[in-house]
Amino acid sequence: AQSVTQLGSHVSVSEGALVLLRCNYSSSVPPYLFWYVQYPNQGLQLLLKYTSAATLVKGINGFEAEFKKSETSFHLTKPSAHMSDAAEYFCAVTAGGGQNFVFGPGTRLSVLP
Amino acid sequence: GAVVSQHPSWVICKSGTSVKIECRSLDFQATTMFWYRQFPKQSLMLMATSNEGSKATYEQGVEKDKFLINHASLTLSTLTVTSAHPEDSSFYICSARDLAGFTDTQYFGPGTRLTVL
Repeated sequence: AQSVTQLGSHVSVSEGALVLLRCNYSSSVPPYLFWYVQYPNQGLQLLLKYTSAATLVKGINGFEAEFKKSETSFHLTKPSAHMSDAAEYFCAVTAGGGQNFVFGPGTRLSVLP
Repeated sequence: GAVVSQHPSWVICKSGTSVKIECRSLDFQATTMFWYRQFPKQSLMLMATSNEGSKATYEQGVEKDKFLINHASLTLSTLTVTSAHPEDSSFYICSARDLAGFTDTQYFGPGTRLTVL
């Protein structure tokens, strides 16, 4: 069984500040981990994914995440927040092999001017 | 990258009517598709796994007679919400599994917003 927790349902940062969105997972098998962003009334957009290769994963829009097995974490970071980053962010885990995704509860990111 | 489409993108219907949502993989064949539901301000929850040519597998608590899934071809899965009620209003998102070559990747559709009056 797999599960995902995201600490902080709402995170606010100032424009230009560091963005850190936390994700911890539980998985009985080596996980594949993903971060998705969702803008209001839209579908999911893949930011980045970890599939057992490099532990530091770079994604789109300047985001990156680091897989830490010892901490069962996959936190998402961006050095400098932009107003356009304001959205809902979901961390997800899958066992791969065509298994379904298990999503975290999401974190809403607000960027203050 | 691979594209998954959903139709319609939004639908409003009266209580008691049935609504069909289509999920298509546009440039790859998908033997497996997944259907998720997202209530307002909540996360996505898996409803069912749709396998081409066989019966769908439903998650606990999802009524299979209410949410009919048909995966009749390798590029199309449909979700029919039968006798819809206001509590079925939600954002329905599908994903399709691409097994081409050495990849095993899932792609999400843009979602369908259902509002039941």
